[in-house]
Amino acid sequence: DIQMTQSPASLSASLGETVTIECRASEDIYSNLAWYQQKPGNSPQLLIYDANSLADGVPSRFSGSGSGTQYSLKINSLQSEDVASYFCQQYNNYPNTFGAGTKLELK
Amino acid sequence: QVQLQQSGTELVKPASSVKISCKASGYTFTSNYMHWIRQQPGNGLEWIGWIYPGNGNTKYNQKFDGKATLTADKSSSTAYMQLSSLTSEDSAVYFCARDYGGYVMDAWGQGASVTVSS
Repeated sequence: DIQMTQSPASLSASLGETVTIECRASEDIYSNLAWYQQKPGNSPQLLIYDANSLADGVPSRFSGSGSGTQYSLKINSLQSEDVASYFCQQYNNYPNTFGAGTKLELK
Repeated sequence: QVQLQQSGTELVKPASSVKISCKASGYTFTSNYMHWIRQQPGNGLEWIGWIYPGNGNTKYNQKFDGKATLTADKSSSTAYMQLSSLTSEDSAVYFCARDYGGYVMDAWGQGASVTVSS
């Protein structure tokens, strides 16, 4: 199985700050990568797919980039509602696999 | 709008089985794959498998082969997952999620909590 390594595991940032979360795949996943946001007590919600395509209804302060084995999720101008855990998912290989998550808190 | 409504919390005994439901609305149930995902306490997400309600085809993560059985009822737009031979390791929240295309999951149920305890 492809291993997805997210960093950092947790992150504390201030309102208005720009935040970047990284995801590294154990082999090339050809941009077949999605990012999900999971707020406390809720189910995950799709943010980004195909590494850089914004899902419907997702604010434009979220963006994704990367290629090969290295990918990142960027949140511009952090808002209080962005406090959540973030997961990456590769769907290039069977079985699709998720990263362990990054927990984002407010400083 | 797309909605996936899952059944509620389950407290079950070791070695027993449990069946979780996921009722879909707001789209054509038979046109999209439905995934099932496990989230153990404090852990990340694991993909269990998918079912295509249009024809009942299924595909499982090898890890869950023999543990999970996916079915779907077109008449009620409901997907089901049965988990068998339960142990404490199966205690988790289980989500259903609609496939947007190629394993991207664009709508999720609220999750069903399963606790296995004697």
